[in-house]
Amino acid sequence: QKEVEQDPGPLSVPEGAIVSLNCTYSNSAFQYFMWYRQYSRKGPELLMYTYSSGNKEDGRFTAQVDKSSKYISLFIRDSQPSDSATYLCAMSARPKAAGNKLTFGGGTRVLVKP
Amino acid sequence: AAGVIQSPRHLIKEKRETATLKCYPIPRHDTVYWYQQGPGQDPQFLISFYEKMQSDKGSIPDRFSAQQFSDYHSELNMSSLELGDSALYFCASSLGLTRSQSYEQYFGPGTRLTVT
Repeated sequence: QKEVEQDPGPLSVPEGAIVSLNCTYSNSAFQYFMWYRQYSRKGPELLMYTYSSGNKEDGRFTAQVDKSSKYISLFIRDSQPSDSATYLCAMSARPKAAGNKLTFGGGTRVLVKP
Repeated sequence: AAGVIQSPRHLIKEKRETATLKCYPIPRHDTVYWYQQGPGQDPQFLISFYEKMQSDKGSIPDRFSAQQFSDYHSELNMSSLELGDSALYFCASSLGLTRSQSYEQYFGPGTRLTVT
């Protein structure tokens, strides 16, 4: 079983709808949580980064973390066709001497239809 | 803003050949990470460097080696290439551990390696 689980989708929504994405994880050492957006054949682009449980908002994006349930979510409001991409959650444990390797979920493919 | 630069963007090699991938981090970033992303897969961590020293090691085959140079750029050397090495190879960079931004890893566009 993977340390981070993410529904692969695809998730198809009409333009303007709210996109809801989530990941579950099993490793209690994970303390830092990121969401990346990846367009086809491109590098992952960092969208959000959170540490504590609760909500964090940035424009149309809201990230939620529930450490007690080992569950994180990303919500995209007023979705646009340009939001069509694969969304990857990523996690990292407390820092060691240096370097914080990321463990990724499998990614959810999102399609926003005009 | 300057981003992570990777070269080459595409590389075609035959089995048993060697390949060298290069990564130039964002200016002032001193930590570099290498990830491998197979077709339809999520990125898998290979290795990382902080201040030119290896800081962490993941599922990197013994046939692969990497280093970070004094200007903080990094090279991933791959020998005895196998068909299964065909993948996208991403480099990411971040500020060092003592900075609050150390968890913000910024990815390059990737090098697509095809082994035939």
